[in-house]
Amino acid sequence: AQTVTQSQPEMSVQEAETVTLSCTYDTSESDYYLFWYKQPPSRQMILVIRQEAYKQQNATENRFSVNFQKAAKSFSLKISDSQLGDAAMYFCAGSENAGGTSYGKLTFGQGTILTVHP
Amino acid sequence: EAGVAQSPRYKIIEKRQSVAFWCNPISGHATLYWYQQILGQGPKLLIQFQNNGVVDDSQLPKDRFSAERLKGVDSTLKIQPAKLEDSAVYLCASNPRGTQYFGPGTRLTVL
Repeated sequence: AQTVTQSQPEMSVQEAETVTLSCTYDTSESDYYLFWYKQPPSRQMILVIRQEAYKQQNATENRFSVNFQKAAKSFSLKISDSQLGDAAMYFCAGSENAGGTSYGKLTFGQGTILTVHP
Repeated sequence: EAGVAQSPRYKIIEKRQSVAFWCNPISGHATLYWYQQILGQGPKLLIQFQNNGVVDDSQLPKDRFSAERLKGVDSTLKIQPAKLEDSAVYLCASNPRGTQYFGPGTRLTVL
């Protein structure tokens, strides 16, 4: 079974600055996905970025990028040029291949509340 | 493309009453998930469907929770009878492979 740990309950950043959110995970599977989801107070869970375990290249989506360290089982999220709209709860999550093309449940970390100061 | 639809968005009931939530996944997504999110925590899986079959319901409190996905499309989650500790947001998600897309959730308050 997969475990996901976020050790930063809260983080803050100044607008236009860069912030990094940390996440570690553990799994015995070789085929899995890792994700960062954003959940604003409206509670809609929004996908920010995903990383397939077999890909060595770190995923990037506009201002969001990850640092995927497979051996260290670390998966951090970097937000560049932070904007006020980035303020939210951020969840790190993982999903293991349950066989064939089916992926199992998402296992979430505890979340990190990100505050962006103007 | 339409996203995952859920209703109602809010529900307030008294303990021991029953309640039902509805989810319509993204068209063509075979896998559907129900998660429970207690305030301040990450979501936890209640049940996973593949088409209309149950893949994982190991964390579903079966004495009071039930779920079905007739015809492999939309799904309902029911709680009967509700307890105070069931107050949470209930999230539905679907995926074709790997990436899960979430609905807006239903906030349940049990008084």
